[in-house]
Amino acid sequence: GAVVSQHPSRVICKSGTSVKIECRSLDFQATTMFWYRQFPKQSLMLMATSNEGSKATYEQGVEKDKFLINHASLTLSTLTVTSAHPEDSSFYICSASLGREANYGYTFGSGTRLTVV
Amino acid sequence: QQQVKQSPQSLIVQKGGISIINCAYENTAFDYFPWYQQFPGKGPALLIAIRPDVSEKKEGRFTISFNKSAKQFSLHIMDSQPGDSATYFCAATTGGGNKLTFGTGTQLKVEL
Repeated sequence: GAVVSQHPSRVICKSGTSVKIECRSLDFQATTMFWYRQFPKQSLMLMATSNEGSKATYEQGVEKDKFLINHASLTLSTLTVTSAHPEDSSFYICSASLGREANYGYTFGSGTRLTVV
Repeated sequence: QQQVKQSPQSLIVQKGGISIINCAYENTAFDYFPWYQQFPGKGPALLIAIRPDVSEKKEGRFTISFNKSAKQFSLHIMDSQPGDSATYFCAATTGGGNKLTFGTGTQLKVEL
């Protein structure tokens, strides 16, 4: 099946530094990818939608200058949390749309636990 | 109109019992309704999905029941097992690779 590989699985960084999270589609081309944020015992909150070669579309309330999304190829999308602060600590998950061949399903990465100290 | 309401928030079921989770939506343009299972520290994994042209879909122990007129759909887990203990999310989308709208999640615990 279609797999999205997400790295790192866990990262601890100091306040003020930047962290990059990568998602790679291993056996398919991901035209559209989604980035979510999830707080403990809560649902997934969509942060942004990215299409390959285009600027990401951010959801209301999400700071585009803080959460930089790059989707420069059909197999790689990255989320960079810039000038991280403790309140950015969360579980970040990427997802890819699988397209018509897969009946427009979705596959998810395994998530990245970000802790900002 | 984009919300998907999910209940219950938490559920405890005895081993071998039936777990039932319900979702309701308002947007009649939704045409793809997946259910996801999530274990702690992991990303969601697709369990089963349905489109509005059928009223029920079964895959193994998992069944989706879909009521288009009531704008409701539910997940039934038959013969629930301790390994089913996880958080379950319903979702909906207008399809064609558009963004998913998630329910609030149900934390299921299956006891021995």
